[in-house]
Amino acid sequence: GDSVTQMEGPVTLSEEAFLTINCTYTATGYPSLFWYVQYPGEGLQLLLKATKADDKGSNKGFEATYRKETTSFHLEKGSVQVSDSAVYFCALSLTGRRALTFGSGTRLQVQP
Amino acid sequence: DSGVTQTPKHLITATGQRVTLRCSPRSGDLSVYWYQQSLDQGLQFLIQYYNGEERAKGNILERFSAQQFPDLHSELNLSSLELGDSALYFCASSGRTEANYGYTFGSGTRLTVV
Repeated sequence: GDSVTQMEGPVTLSEEAFLTINCTYTATGYPSLFWYVQYPGEGLQLLLKATKADDKGSNKGFEATYRKETTSFHLEKGSVQVSDSAVYFCALSLTGRRALTFGSGTRLQVQP
Repeated sequence: DSGVTQTPKHLITATGQRVTLRCSPRSGDLSVYWYQQSLDQGLQFLIQYYNGEERAKGNILERFSAQQFPDLHSELNLSSLELGDSALYFCASSGRTEANYGYTFGSGTRLTVV
């Protein structure tokens, strides 16, 4: 079946450090890929998305590129802030089925 | 405010009881999805409705059921509750033209079964 694998957390970084959160997927078709963020006590917010191979999604300084050859969608940010502390979820959705399949989430803690 | 409204925000109930969670989708969205988030299982897709019809089923227990009404709001019914049903329950909605482009989530209902 379809699945998403994320790196284990928590990831602890100092402010202004470079962030990478790895995400790989397994899917029977050509999925759309998403990153969602969950701040403490809140719901999930769409951070960025990519719908086909080589697409780059970007938002709020975060970027991720849809790599079909490596079935990956790694999240990156050049300089993290304390306010980026949250749980990040990688997810996929297959055309026609629509329900999102989520990874297990990666907690990011940014220290001042 | 995401535009997806879930009520109640918190619910505490006893084992064996039945509860109903409510979700109002974003204006114009026809699809509603229910997800369960627990510490050990992560985010699990439960069920999807599209314009009043069941569209897809995920890992939904037989003790759970859902429906979507003509005004497009949805309810998730959880019965014969067990301690393990304690979790955050999220509702999400999407529009027809947004398929595969993202989903808007509500802030969730935290269910505690004691």
